[in-house]
Parts: sequence; C-alpha cells; structure tokens
Amino acid sequence: GAGVSQSPRYKVAKRGQDVALRCDPISGHVSLFWYQQALGQGPEFLTYFQNEAQLDKSGLPSDRFFAERPEGSVSTLKIQRTQQEDSAVYLCASSPPLSGTPETQYFGPGTRLLVL
Amino acid sequence: GDSVTQMEGPVTLSEEAFLTINCTYTATGYPSLFWYVQYPGEGLQLLLKATKADDKGSNKGFEATYRKETTSFHLEKGSVQVSDSAVYFCALNDSGGGADGLTFGKGTHLIIQP
Repeated sequence: GAGVSQSPRYKVAKRGQDVALRCDPISGHVSLFWYQQALGQGPEFLTYFQNEAQLDKSGLPSDRFFAERPEGSVSTLKIQRTQQEDSAVYLCASSPPLSGTPETQYFGPGTRLLVL
Repeated sequence: GDSVTQMEGPVTLSEEAFLTINCTYTATGYPSLFWYVQYPGEGLQLLLKATKADDKGSNKGFEATYRKETTSFHLEKGSVQVSDSAVYFCALNDSGGGADGLTFGKGTHLIIQP
C-alpha cells in the first residue's frame, strides 16, 4: 500500500522567503509527527498531531515555524522568513491508532530544504 | 531530558564479520526503545523495537536486548552483508504507552566491504 508521501522533495528558498511543506500520511493513521534532521545528525522532534489536534509543539524552534492538520489527514509545515539555519531535511511520520504500546512510526522520504 | 548516545561512525567491516553498534539512553520514565535504519536514497524504516526490560527485538538477522540495569540497547548481527550498509539510528519513546515524538541518537554509518 501507499506509504507516507511528502512534497516537494527538494526546495531552495532565498533567505526571508516563506515555505510550505506538505505531508500525506498513511490512510487511517491517527498520529502525525514532524521532525527536522540537520546534516549528519539524527532527526529532532518538532511537533505531533492526533487527528486534527496539535498535542505537542514543544520542538518547534521558533514562532516562525507553524504546523497544521485541519482535517486530520494531510499536514502542512510552514516556515516564515526562512533563515540559513533552517536548512535541513524535514521528515514526516505517521502511526496507527493507539493500542497501549508506542506504535511504530512510518516515515516519509523527507523534504530537503536549502536556504540561500 | 531524554537523550540517546550511540557510537560514532563510520563503522567499516568486512562481509560476514560480527557487528555491534552501541546505544545507551537517558530517560525520565520507562521508555520503549527502537532501532531505525536508513538505506542509501531511502527513508527511515523501523528495524526492531523492545518495549520492556529484557525484551529482545529481532529482524533480518539483527537483534537488540533492552537492558534496564545498564540503560543500553546495543544492536548486533552475527554475519553482516554488503546490503546492510546504511545509517542506523537508536531511538526512544518515553510517553508511557501513548504517542509522542521519538528521541534519536545521531546515527551510525555502517559500511560493509565485500
């Protein structure tokens, strides 16, 4: 079946531009996560949705970062006034309904953002 | 806060060698532990997991045992293949059975030479 998809796969932005990154989770998956992965590092948690509710946004690095999931499926991560330090791969993951143990997160291929 | 420390890479081995990638963690609660793998050009995928002490996760010849006393979850494989070349990430989830973001280590790049 279809996995998690993300678009665009690559994005080049000039410093100060706004960008929007899209994530299509696996159908039926309740939870959706965004991570930021800098070059040579592990992914770092940004934010988490359960259906349309954003339950944790503690990892968002600044108020320039905003995520939404208005209908509980597709999610968009928006970065306003991009800075060079925002250059990274942005990963989206989804997981099925909770069953009492931490569920496997299924990752998309990521969007590689380069801010010039 | 929670953290994961794994051995620095790259780790270079010959085919059929024994593999160990060390992983230790710090957590405030009783976490579940994971190994994820990223093959060249592909996304992260779950390799194995363990949810309580002394559990052993295993998949594709890899295994790791949840050791609460040493706060470790080392990844092992008895005989590696060239196709095992990838970046391996140790991770934990400290949400107590709920859902929340994973905390990852920095990753270990494994290179297997024929």
